[in-house]
Amino acid sequence: GAVVSQHPSWVICKSGTSVKIECRSLDFQATTMFWYRQFPKQSLMLMATSNEGSKATYEQGVEKDKFLINHASLTLSTLTVTSAHPEDSSFYICSARPGTANYEQYFGPGTRLTVT
Amino acid sequence: AQSVTQPDIHITVSEGASLELRCNYSYGATPYLFWYVQSPGQGLQLLLKYFSGDTLVQGIKGFEAEFKRSQSSFNLRKPSVHWSDAAEYFCAVSKAAGNKLTFGGGTRVLVKP
Repeated sequence: GAVVSQHPSWVICKSGTSVKIECRSLDFQATTMFWYRQFPKQSLMLMATSNEGSKATYEQGVEKDKFLINHASLTLSTLTVTSAHPEDSSFYICSARPGTANYEQYFGPGTRLTVT
Repeated sequence: AQSVTQPDIHITVSEGASLELRCNYSYGATPYLFWYVQSPGQGLQLLLKYFSGDTLVQGIKGFEAEFKRSQSSFNLRKPSVHWSDAAEYFCAVSKAAGNKLTFGGGTRVLVKP
């Protein structure tokens, strides 16, 4: 149980285009999902927290107009990188938390984005 | 603000030898502490967590960790390493069990045959 999937697992896009990454909780309902970014050989940095049906909360320094997050249902959150540039190339990881507080979060396998 | 430091970027250990990964945290209140392992092509897997109670926590895959409040540490240990333990290990802290996580820089473990 507690499986989180991400799609696609890797994507290559051209500079200036937008790309959407999906995060799904497969066997539980996730009221909260988190989006992290991981540069090569570095740690995970939280980008934003999304709650189903409400606007995402972005961490300081993360451009909300560039990284659009939508948590439209209890099993799906999407991250859209708009007008992507090579510096947006990274590994994007989502996690999902069932229920409310005192539940651990479960991580997806990540999406490798390469912007050319 | 909370922060996590993993002093060792790389550790090389022989198969069968013991392993200890260091983690120091900075947080004003009682922290919720986690150790995750990341293998290539796989998502982060939770090894163990500490919320309260017994300061020695047992996890999966034979790992354990000890919470030492006086040292602000939560070091991960394994008595005998297997080749499959080669991976990246992350220590993390949060204010509550399901809250956003702050990760340390990670420690890459290499296992020599």
